[in-house]
Amino acid sequence: GNSVTQMEGPVTLSEEAFLTINCTYTATGYPSLFWYVQYPGEGLQLLLKATKADDKGSNKGFEATYRKETTSFHLEKGSVQVSDSAVYFCALAPNTGNQFYFGTGTSLTVIP
Amino acid sequence: SQTIHQWPATLVQPVGSPLSLECTVEGTSNPNLYWYRQAAGRGLQLLFYSVGIGQISSEVPQNLSASRPQDRQFILSSKKLLLSDSGFYLCAWSPLTGGFYGYTFGSGTRLTVV
Repeated sequence: GNSVTQMEGPVTLSEEAFLTINCTYTATGYPSLFWYVQYPGEGLQLLLKATKADDKGSNKGFEATYRKETTSFHLEKGSVQVSDSAVYFCALAPNTGNQFYFGTGTSLTVIP
Repeated sequence: SQTIHQWPATLVQPVGSPLSLECTVEGTSNPNLYWYRQAAGRGLQLLFYSVGIGQISSEVPQNLSASRPQDRQFILSSKKLLLSDSGFYLCAWSPLTGGFYGYTFGSGTRLTVV
């Protein structure tokens, strides 16, 4: 079946620290992979995506590479800011069907 | 461009009262529509999804129901709310082939049942 396993939080970092949030997946076929971000009190926004193996999604300084050999899609940012404080969700969309599969979310707090 | 509207933004309802949350999408046709719930401090739970008018798939048996009376309108309802229905409700849409394009979420409704 399809599932997403995401790094447990919460994560607290100092400003300008390096961020990694781990995400691994189980899927049949060749899914598309996504990272969503949820700022406090808001809905989810698409942060980045990758649709095939070795693709790198990037946006706002965040990056994630679709690694088929390790079934992973880890989120990274070289230097976090206070404004990056949010909950981050990894998600998988199978290449057939209409449903997405979300991880449980990782809360990130960046302190000045 | 496509937009998704969800209302109300916040709602406080007594136990046993009815519920109606509405979601509409503009700028597209035949979207897939979804209702998710996010309980405090927890992840996303898919409640319902719809691939067309009158077509509703339920993922979790519960006190809620969904309807899609028009192509771009998705309604979440309850006849009698429970305390456990409190949470953050999110509507989302995707193109018919959403796997490639991802979901677009509404801004959410925070429901508190008292």
